[in-house]
Amino acid sequence: NAGVMQNPRHLVRRRGQEARLRCSPMKGHSHVYWYRQLPEEGLKFMVYLQKENIIDESGMPKERFSAEFPKEGPSILRIQQVVRGDSAAYFCASSPTGNSYGYTFGSGTRLTVV
Amino acid sequence: KNEVEQSPQNLTAQEGEFITINCSYSVGISALHWLQQHPGGGIVSLFMLSSGKKKHGRLIATINIQEKHSSLHITASHPRDSAVYICAAFSDSGGGADGLTFGKGTHLIIQP
Repeated sequence: NAGVMQNPRHLVRRRGQEARLRCSPMKGHSHVYWYRQLPEEGLKFMVYLQKENIIDESGMPKERFSAEFPKEGPSILRIQQVVRGDSAAYFCASSPTGNSYGYTFGSGTRLTVV
Repeated sequence: KNEVEQSPQNLTAQEGEFITINCSYSVGISALHWLQQHPGGGIVSLFMLSSGKKKHGRLIATINIQEKHSSLHITASHPRDSAVYICAAFSDSGGGADGLTFGKGTHLIIQP
């Protein structure tokens, strides 16, 4: 069991480009959570998804950010027209049941916007 | 909404010292995580506990549900323990914005 896999580990984008961050949950986990860690700040919730459904996106910025978790394949966090303020570490976590049992973090994707 | 407070924010100690990091939360929870993050690194889950005490190597975590308080202890600390330690409280609301609340982290530096 490879754990929660995030890729890429590091991503550099120019302002205005799109960033796609991928998260493959642990086998058997159907709940995925995305968190953002801005430089020198704590982790902040962004979005909670189950297969094909967004359960809670209250932490997502209203514009340019979207997330999906299709029936097949990884969860994708998509940031359109990136700006310097989007530079951060983005972590995902997964769980099998939506509560604390088996909750596991990925290693994160560090996005740098230049 | 759950509030999670960690103390101290920063801690510098000498190699070999016994380290304690504290975490308090404001509402009832189903579980509490202790996480470790090295500079520029990913997040590693050290413990998840809902009662009592857990031990793994030189690390010990305790939780007192009645007092809404948890501690992480490191015995015989070593420079490789230098990292940010984050406590995260998991409510029973089923995930989402109220599911997991993070403390701001404790920056630990162990000097040789």
